[in-house]
Amino acid sequence: EMQLVESGGGLVQPGRSLRLSCTASGFTFGDYAMSWVRQAPGKGLEWVGFIRNKAFGGTTEYAASVKGRFTISRDDSKSIAYLQMNSLKTEDTAVYYCIRGYGGNWGQGTLVTVSS
Amino acid sequence: DVVMTQSPLSLPVTLGQPASISCRSSLSLVHSDGNTYLNWFQQRPGQSPRRLIYRVSNRDSGVPDRFSGSGSGTDFTLKISRVEAEDVGVYYCMQGTHWLTFGGGTKVEIK
Repeated sequence: EMQLVESGGGLVQPGRSLRLSCTASGFTFGDYAMSWVRQAPGKGLEWVGFIRNKAFGGTTEYAASVKGRFTISRDDSKSIAYLQMNSLKTEDTAVYYCIRGYGGNWGQGTLVTVSS
Repeated sequence: DVVMTQSPLSLPVTLGQPASISCRSSLSLVHSDGNTYLNWFQQRPGQSPRRLIYRVSNRDSGVPDRFSGSGSGTDFTLKISRVEAEDVGVYYCMQGTHWLTFGGGTKVEIK
């Protein structure tokens, strides 16, 4: 059974950094792009970014709201995708979801709270 | 950036009755590869979103056949033929042709 488990969320002060991990199992991780989507409390879904698989260059794309501050990477040997978040702002407070591909399967999410 | 506009914002429905949600994009969603990357998601209260429909009209595995998707270009629709209690939640459209963008969501509730 395929599974995505996010971890690394928590409370962080504005301007600090946090790295989220998405550990995958039950499928060939290297065959898929991996995406991150977030949801602020009581709000809708917002795409954060994605990383293509190696067959498509392993390149990344980001939403304008996080470009230059967030970085997505992957370790295919460990079946893990990462979301490195720098210069965090209060408006980055959200549940962050890891997704296989561009929407097919979602993790349970991890809450990031940016507050002083 | 592509803007996805959903309507209505809220949809009260009687059990057993049909429901329809509209999604319009600011740009055509026909990709250069010929596909149209328009998906529909359901988010039940307290749960992660789940994809129901991909590429306009293809149901994901395990999705009841009362859910159907249609449309082309910039106008798309999700229909529920007979609403059941388990269908309560928020529904989102998402385009994947020009990076990814979600609609604002439609809350389906029982009257």
